[in-house]
Amino acid sequence: QQPVQSPQAVILREGEDAVINCSSSKALYSVHWYRQKHGEAPVFLMILLKGGEQKGHEKISASFNEKKQQSSLYLTASQLSYSGTYFCGTDRGNQFYFGTGTSLTVIP
Amino acid sequence: DVKVTQSSRYLVKRTGEKVFLECVQDMDHENMFWYRQDPGLGLRLIYFSYDVKMKEKGDIPEGYSVSREKKERFSLILESASTNQTSMYLCASSFLLTGGQYEQYFGPGTRLTVT
Repeated sequence: QQPVQSPQAVILREGEDAVINCSSSKALYSVHWYRQKHGEAPVFLMILLKGGEQKGHEKISASFNEKKQQSSLYLTASQLSYSGTYFCGTDRGNQFYFGTGTSLTVIP
Repeated sequence: DVKVTQSSRYLVKRTGEKVFLECVQDMDHENMFWYRQDPGLGLRLIYFSYDVKMKEKGDIPEGYSVSREKKERFSLILESASTNQTSMYLCASSFLLTGGQYEQYFGPGTRLTVT
């Protein structure tokens, strides 16, 4: 039921790019992305509601491929402040499922 | 600013004890959620509520119950705590919107240790 994210962990140098993938074995009706910094609560980044939709938030953007039941989060020119764990999530009827999480560490 | 508060940041309880975790939100949100967070497993939904006195089971409700007597407050109850319930517990709230268009606001979490 839970979306699966890949990679589980990634380490980047400042300025490098990263892609985090989220895939589901069941239909995705919407995709939410959240970031959780160490020791803090998860914080909402964006929601994608339709297949083919793309959104951006600063240098973080996402796409949603409804047919493939996948979403990807793109981080460009990463900054130290991007470090944290990223979660995708989806709602399915009355339920909400978060993905397994991707730990992203940006080093100088 | 939306504020979701949880009664304790850290809690240590003994096996078999009854444990109450409280969550309060100040934004008049209809939805409230309880998740547990474990390394490698992400956030898993325990229960959620879309209205006062209404509740729905999430993915892992076994060993837990909930109570929502007032709109702003959602309590998670561990009837008889066990060591496998040692975890980080996160509460969240959101407006009730259709089509998945709800942003969830999270509390700071309660790290529960059951010994």
